[in-house]
Amino acid sequence: DTGVSQNPRHKITKRGQNVTFRCDPISEHNRLYWYRQTLGQGPEFLTYFQNEAQLEKSRLLSDRFSAERPKGSFSTLEIQRTEQGDSAMYLCASSSKTGASPLHFGNGTRLTVT
Amino acid sequence: AQSVTQLDSQVPVFEEAPVELRCNYSSSVSVYLFWYVQYPNQGLQLLLKYLSGSTLVESINGFEAEFNKSQTSFHLRKPSVHISDTAEYFCAVSNNQGGKLIFGQGTELSVKP
Repeated sequence: DTGVSQNPRHKITKRGQNVTFRCDPISEHNRLYWYRQTLGQGPEFLTYFQNEAQLEKSRLLSDRFSAERPKGSFSTLEIQRTEQGDSAMYLCASSSKTGASPLHFGNGTRLTVT
Repeated sequence: AQSVTQLDSQVPVFEEAPVELRCNYSSSVSVYLFWYVQYPNQGLQLLLKYLSGSTLVESINGFEAEFNKSQTSFHLRKPSVHISDTAEYFCAVSNNQGGKLIFGQGTELSVKP
């Protein structure tokens, strides 16, 4: 168990640019989640996958955000035309399907939009 | 839909003192409840969870939480804190089918010598 891996750790971009983050879950986990966390707040749910199927998207996820998990393994989160309000820590987590298997979180990707 | 309220944003305490971090939840269905901890510059880690059965659950490092259905609470307690317990603590809820977690705003526990 190597844990959930997220890349890059930090990303600084200019407003209007597109960015893409990658998440590699724990290998035997078939559920994968994306959260966003801003300073002083708890993680906010964005979306989650079971295998390659995207089962739920938060209303927070505007049309500029898209997530994929093409082969049911790693996932990418893309933000198009970034805005300063997108600056946050983006967290990925994975879990197994069974019941209330706890979420295992990665260390996150910190995005700064200038 | 579920929601979580952590009633204290910051809790400063002295080392070896007892502490309670408060958490209330709202849900129209049965829930699972969790406490996660985030140490400085580290990712979120599961501290303890309530799924069913005994309403008192414990972690390996001396924390405990009690599920109180009538008061819709899941407060976290430790009888004697250490400097190393300084961290951000998050309460979270999911429906009893598992799936996504809804987190509270977090409580920053600061343990002073």
